[in-house]
Amino acid sequence: DQQVKQNSPSLSVQEGRISILNCDYTNSMFDYFLWYKKYPAEGPTFLISISSIKDKNEDGRFTVFLNKSAKHLSLHIVPSQPGDSAVYFCAASRGSQGNLIFGKGTKLSVKP
Amino acid sequence: DTGVSQDPRHKITKRGQNVTFRCDPISEHNRLYWYRQTLGQGPEFLTYFQNEAQLEKSRLLSDRFSAERPKGSFSTLEIQRTEQGDSAMYLCASSGDSGRGPRAFFGQGTRLTVV
Repeated sequence: DQQVKQNSPSLSVQEGRISILNCDYTNSMFDYFLWYKKYPAEGPTFLISISSIKDKNEDGRFTVFLNKSAKHLSLHIVPSQPGDSAVYFCAASRGSQGNLIFGKGTKLSVKP
Repeated sequence: DTGVSQDPRHKITKRGQNVTFRCDPISEHNRLYWYRQTLGQGPEFLTYFQNEAQLEKSRLLSDRFSAERPKGSFSTLEIQRTEQGDSAMYLCASSGDSGRGPRAFFGQGTRLTVV
């Protein structure tokens, strides 16, 4: 039973436009949510996170929105750049020290 | 600070052989995690250490798998009697008490191929 779901395996966006990556979760006990980016043959790289007590966190071009009632979060990238092309993983955790539960990832392609 | 380091980067082994992977975490981090990633999937949690104590193990970690973190520094993950289903990317991550939640830093992984 997948507790973290990324239902879109891929997304293609034009350079300069907004990329929106979505993630749903089932476990209401999760209290931290994170986004990681992964290039081929590399480990995941942390992008941005949000605590369950917030509904928005912004860091430069990246913004994460959390809707707890819908058990849904999204990552917005504005403006999208070709270097953003990678696989993006949504992850969730119970507590600040626990292990991470990952979704299957969404492959983002940003076309020049 | 050179980040999380994993060795080897690639390992090809014959079915039935034992393999051991090493992870060197970021030096000030007290927590160390092992994950496994197969094609088309996200990383799946295997086990977790706080300092030298192994605090949690996933049901994915069969009795053929063992992990250690002597003296709370580097960690090793051993797989005995490897099977073809063990072929995957094995990822190590570490985190510290930064007050920034469960943000973990990953190594580049060890890709295991069992033939």
